[in-house]
Amino acid sequence: AQTVTQSQPEMSVQEAETVTLSCTYDTSENNYYLFWYKQPPSRQMILVIRQEAYKQQNATENRFSVNFQKAAKSFSLKISDSQLGDTAMYFCAFMKPGSQGNLIFGKGTKLSVKP
Amino acid sequence: NAGVTQTPKFQVLKTGQSMTLQCAQDMNHEYMSWYRQDPGMGLRLIHYSVGAGITDQGEVPNGYNVSRSTTEDFPLRLLSAAPSQTSVYFCASSLTTGRSSYNSPLHFGNGTRLTVT
Repeated sequence: AQTVTQSQPEMSVQEAETVTLSCTYDTSENNYYLFWYKQPPSRQMILVIRQEAYKQQNATENRFSVNFQKAAKSFSLKISDSQLGDTAMYFCAFMKPGSQGNLIFGKGTKLSVKP
Repeated sequence: NAGVTQTPKFQVLKTGQSMTLQCAQDMNHEYMSWYRQDPGMGLRLIHYSVGAGITDQGEVPNGYNVSRSTTEDFPLRLLSAAPSQTSVYFCASSLTTGRSSYNSPLHFGNGTRLTVT
């Protein structure tokens, strides 16, 4: 069975600085998909970024980028120029092909951006 | 489009009571699912559906029933509520299923906070 581990329950960063959230996963699949979701205090779940395992190039979305290390089964999220609005829970999630779209989530990292 | 609509937003039940959490989407999505979110546990899949008339169990299905009589609606039923079912429940949908789900990311509702006393 696949598992997703987020080893940092809480993190904080100063506004305008860069922070990296860690995520590791365990799978025997060769191809799969990885996601980062953001959950602000409003409780809404927002897709931040996604990565296909067979693509070696790291995904980037504006200030958000990932460091995908397939051999190490690591998928960290880097947030550059942190903003107060980045304060949220961040969840790493895994999906394997053929799983009908079902996601396996990590336990989350609570990020606080301080002014 | 309203997206994914969940009702109610909050609910308090007594142990043993039953209730239905409603979920509706107006995007003609094939796939719908229910997750529960507990502190320190992330989100865990309860049940899912890949189309009208088709449902299947996720990681934590015990104590919950679902049905999918229409494409739009995917209600979650608690037959006899227990304190262990105190949680935040999310409904999510996507346009397609399987491998192509990657290109059709999940749309989440705003959640239902359920407390069972």
